Amino acid sequence: TQLLEQSPQFLSIQEGENLTVYCNSSSVFSSLQWYRQEPGEGPVLLVTVVTGGEVKKLKRLTFQFGDARKDSSLHITAAQPGDTGLYLCAGLGPTNYQLIWGAGTKLIIKP
Amino acid sequence: KAGVTQTPRYLIKTRGQQVTLSCSPISGHRSVSWYQQTPGQGLQFLFEYFSETQRNKGNFPGRFSGRQFSNSRSEMNVSTLELGDSALYLCASSLGNRDSPLHFGNGTRLTVT
Repeated sequence: TQLLEQSPQFLSIQEGENLTVYCNSSSVFSSLQWYRQEPGEGPVLLVTVVTGGEVKKLKRLTFQFGDARKDSSLHITAAQPGDTGLYLCAGLGPTNYQLIWGAGTKLIIKP
Repeated sequence: KAGVTQTPRYLIKTRGQQVTLSCSPISGHRSVSWYQQTPGQGLQFLFEYFSETQRNKGNFPGRFSGRQFSNSRSEMNVSTLELGDSALYLCASSLGNRDSPLHFGNGTRLTVT
């Protein structure tokens, strides 16, 4: 059974600080997606990483896919209150259509 | 274009009853997936329908069922509701290819009393 462990589960920091969220697995994924979910809404896709070692930037957010395609990280620089939300990672297995989801990181950025 | 629409937004049911949730995907999307989200368990995959056929299924009991219509709209049914079924039920649509991103609706909040 493929598992995706996400850490930390909860993070509360001050505006302007940096943070990193991790998704780790012992399984290899074809690709990995990151979503953000705000209260009362469904998750919204932020980025998909496909190639081992790939780095993608979305303004202050930097996403990295591990060389072995078993792990990924999300780094936020100079966090802002608008970054508050639940961050979810989801990996696509090599053979099927089903995404494997991490449990999520609840991020609170205090002004 | 219009996003994924889920109805109703909120639902309160009594234990033992049954419920039907509806999902209208983005136009042109042929895949609809259903998820259960709870604070303790995160996002749990229920099933996925593609072109009216169930293509994938998660580890939920048979009380949870779904279907997809020819216009790609999907419904999810839960029979004999239990207190533990209280959750946010999310529907997501996609083009249906392996790497197609999911587009989620805002969910139906089901409370079972």
